[in-house]
Amino acid sequence: GAVVSQHPSWVICKSGTSVKIECRSLDFQATTMFWYRQFPKQSLMLMATSNEGSKATYEQGVEKDKFLINHASLTLSTLTVTSAHPEDSSFYICSARGDWQPQHFGDGTRLSIL
Amino acid sequence: AQSVTQPDIHITVSEGASLELRCNYSYGATPYLFWYVQSPGQGLQLLLKYFSGDTLVQGIKGFEAEFKRSQSSFNLRKPSVHWSDAAEYFCAVGARSGNTPLVFGKGTRLSVIA
Repeated sequence: GAVVSQHPSWVICKSGTSVKIECRSLDFQATTMFWYRQFPKQSLMLMATSNEGSKATYEQGVEKDKFLINHASLTLSTLTVTSAHPEDSSFYICSARGDWQPQHFGDGTRLSIL
Repeated sequence: AQSVTQPDIHITVSEGASLELRCNYSYGATPYLFWYVQSPGQGLQLLLKYFSGDTLVQGIKGFEAEFKRSQSSFNLRKPSVHWSDAAEYFCAVGARSGNTPLVFGKGTRLSVIA
């Protein structure tokens, strides 16, 4: 079946650095990719939706300058957390969808900012 | 507006007992319906999904769910719970096509006692 690969699975970095998370669709063309954030003991919160070759659409309250999303190809989207601070620590999950396909989820990235 | 309600935040059942997790949805069109399970620190695992056809859907790990259009419900059931089923369960609803993301419920945490 369809697989979405998300990398890295866990990253720890110092406050002020930027962190890039990759999301790849391995066996289908992902026309749309979604990025979610999940706080402990809470549900997934949609951050943004990106269509290949277009600018991402961010949900209300999500800083587009803080969370840079690039969807340059049909198989790859990246989320860059710029100048990360401890409050950005969270579990980030990507999801990809092709035409007439349901969403497939990556395994998530645990981001810890010290 | 699209929404998913999981009325039970936390459920505790005895090992071997039956389980039913409730899910109600509000959606403008005929939706796709999903149940996911998430263990602590892990990504989402798809248990089962409903697209069309038979309203009783069989999933992995012995789970099943029944789509009831008249009640806008998609409850998850398992006849005999195992200790390894302890996790967070999310119900989600989505469109059959297009680039709209899944909408998640807030989740139900399942605890299993001996």
